[in-house]
Amino acid sequence: DADVTQTPRNRITKTGKRIMLECSQTKGHDRMYWYRQDPGLGLRLIYYSFDVKDINKGEISDGYSVSRQAQAKFSLSLESAIPNQTALYFCATSDIGLAGGETQYFGPGTRLLVL
Amino acid sequence: GQSLEQPSEVTAVEGAIVQINCTYQTSGFYGLSWYQQHDGGAPTFLSYNALDGLEETGRFSSFLSRSDSYGYLLLQELQMKDSASYFCAVRDVTTDSWGKLQFGAGTQVVVTP
Repeated sequence: DADVTQTPRNRITKTGKRIMLECSQTKGHDRMYWYRQDPGLGLRLIYYSFDVKDINKGEISDGYSVSRQAQAKFSLSLESAIPNQTALYFCATSDIGLAGGETQYFGPGTRLLVL
Repeated sequence: GQSLEQPSEVTAVEGAIVQINCTYQTSGFYGLSWYQQHDGGAPTFLSYNALDGLEETGRFSSFLSRSDSYGYLLLQELQMKDSASYFCAVRDVTTDSWGKLQFGAGTQVVVTP
């Protein structure tokens, strides 16, 4: 079974609709992240959480909100979807190694199309 | 702005060697990581350099020079399946004491027959 799962894998919605993308992990990690990726571009951080009571904005948080329901669950919401939020969304978890390096483990991604 | 710089695309033939450079300007970071992402897939961890020098893992090697804030990923004996995007990343602790991971924009490696 996958360590980091995302649902749904694909979603088509209309402008103005509220949608939620869900992420679950079985790795027992405290750190969780939401990224978006647009064609030909790198990963841009939307929100991140270092434990259940910690939520932080990333570089592109406008138009998004998150909820950390438990250590294993981190949900991303688009309150009122707009077409330029069409993208590939990744959830990730991470742990910190002895040498201070951080390894991130990504979910399979959710393809979102906003019409 | 983007703190890590890497080339946008590299093209090479099967069997060749490709070096992807990554430069970063910071006074404090925990090593350099590399991730691979195939088209339509999720990024996956490749390597991490905590210390200066070369780390080898099979056909892939990664190098770090802290004094130069520079590193590279070396792909040897290129295979068609190596066609993917490669991202460098650092955990910067100068602007954020928690040190979240920052990614470069990625280098698209295209392997041709």
